[in-house]
Amino acid sequence: AQSVTQLDSHVSVSEGTPVLLRCNYSSSYSPSLFWYVQHPNKGLQLLLKYTSAATLVKGINGFEAEFKKSETSFHLTKPSAHMSDAAEYFCVVRTDTGGFKTIFGAGTRLFVKA
Amino acid sequence: EAGVTQFPSHSVIEKGQTVTLRCDPISGHDNLYWYRRVMGKEIKFLLHFVKESKQDESGMPNNRFLAERTGGTYSTLKVQPAELEDSGVYFCASSQSWGLETQYFGPGTRLLVL
Repeated sequence: AQSVTQLDSHVSVSEGTPVLLRCNYSSSYSPSLFWYVQHPNKGLQLLLKYTSAATLVKGINGFEAEFKKSETSFHLTKPSAHMSDAAEYFCVVRTDTGGFKTIFGAGTRLFVKA
Repeated sequence: EAGVTQFPSHSVIEKGQTVTLRCDPISGHDNLYWYRRVMGKEIKFLLHFVKESKQDESGMPNNRFLAERTGGTYSTLKVQPAELEDSGVYFCASSQSWGLETQYFGPGTRLLVL
């Protein structure tokens, strides 16, 4: 069975400090992995995606994620948080299980303190 | 290029009433998806259209939900009659091709059933 676990429901950081949002997945097949962000009252915006090319994926707004197959992880990082990064972040797995399935993590809400 | 649009942005109805949500995908995208996030839960897949055909409707919760995509352009999702547990945010997404393609999401419709 496929599943996605976002290990933290809330993360709080100070502006200018690093951000780490953790995601673990379970998949019997080679997945595609995505991170989306949702700002208040906005839609889901694609940050980055992994599709079996380079394991370190760079996205928009300075975010990046590293696919680690041995750890079944796809953690999202950013070297320096900005106030505008405060939002909810979703880790998403898409796999071909004889029919493509999209599984969302529960979301991690990022708070950025001034 | 216009993104995925959804209408209305918010809807408040009483239990037993009918509500119809609309989604306009990105032009040229044959694949259209509906998702739902009930309060405090993960975003869950509802169904997938390829052009006007339902490719996968395994996530539809019950027969009070009816999705259509006549002509393979915009889609509607009707809830009739609405129940309290239908409250949540309904997202629409589209992609150019099937498989592990990136899905682009709309802003969602926030439905509250009283």
